[in-house]
Amino acid sequence: DSGVTQTPKHLITATGQRVTLRCSPRSGDLSVYWYQQSLDQGLQFLIQYYNGEERAKGNILERFSAQQFPDLHSELNLSSLELGDSALYFCASSPGQGVYEQYFGPGTRLTVT
Amino acid sequence: KNEVEQSPQNLTAQEGEFITINCSYSVGISALHWLQQHPGGGIVSLFMLSSGKKKHGRLIATINIQEKHSSLHITASHPRDSAVYICAVRPLSGGGADGLTFGKGTHLIIQP
Repeated sequence: DSGVTQTPKHLITATGQRVTLRCSPRSGDLSVYWYQQSLDQGLQFLIQYYNGEERAKGNILERFSAQQFPDLHSELNLSSLELGDSALYFCASSPGQGVYEQYFGPGTRLTVT
Repeated sequence: KNEVEQSPQNLTAQEGEFITINCSYSVGISALHWLQQHPGGGIVSLFMLSSGKKKHGRLIATINIQEKHSSLHITASHPRDSAVYICAVRPLSGGGADGLTFGKGTHLIIQP
């Protein structure tokens, strides 16, 4: 158990809908990362937050947004969902910015039908 | 061309064999991670390397920064080692961006 929690574990929704994925980092970790794992693209970095502020963006679509709250949990919002958004979404956390090990949550499996 | 290349893509071996998985990358990095993903989907961090060599149990990871290459070795392999092994790098960049860039993974099966 990495100490990172994600909810829900599974999510099935229809095209055009909006969903919110939630992540709680390990106790004391200030950085949160979101990653997407799809069959065709593999694992991709979406976005990073550090202590409530956005630090870096990767291959995140404009339909997707995220935030990190004062209690350091983070939410990833996916809107206008398309079939191609079906994937595993992982959250990871690390103690700070820089060269740290990243601890991955169990993931949320999103299926868009 | 991907920034992170792994080989082999698939590897089937017999229990007890010595396993080597290779990772080459084309960008400057500050760290390289080896991750393990089991069929259930969860990702476990095995190693983070900036230089040299690390060992944990039967697992050994090495990195050569000059050659932009890393290897993951498994000694005395066991069926429970069957998993996907993923190499990921933290590219050198300004602004504190720490998102990882991933290889496509090596699917390892150890047969009893």
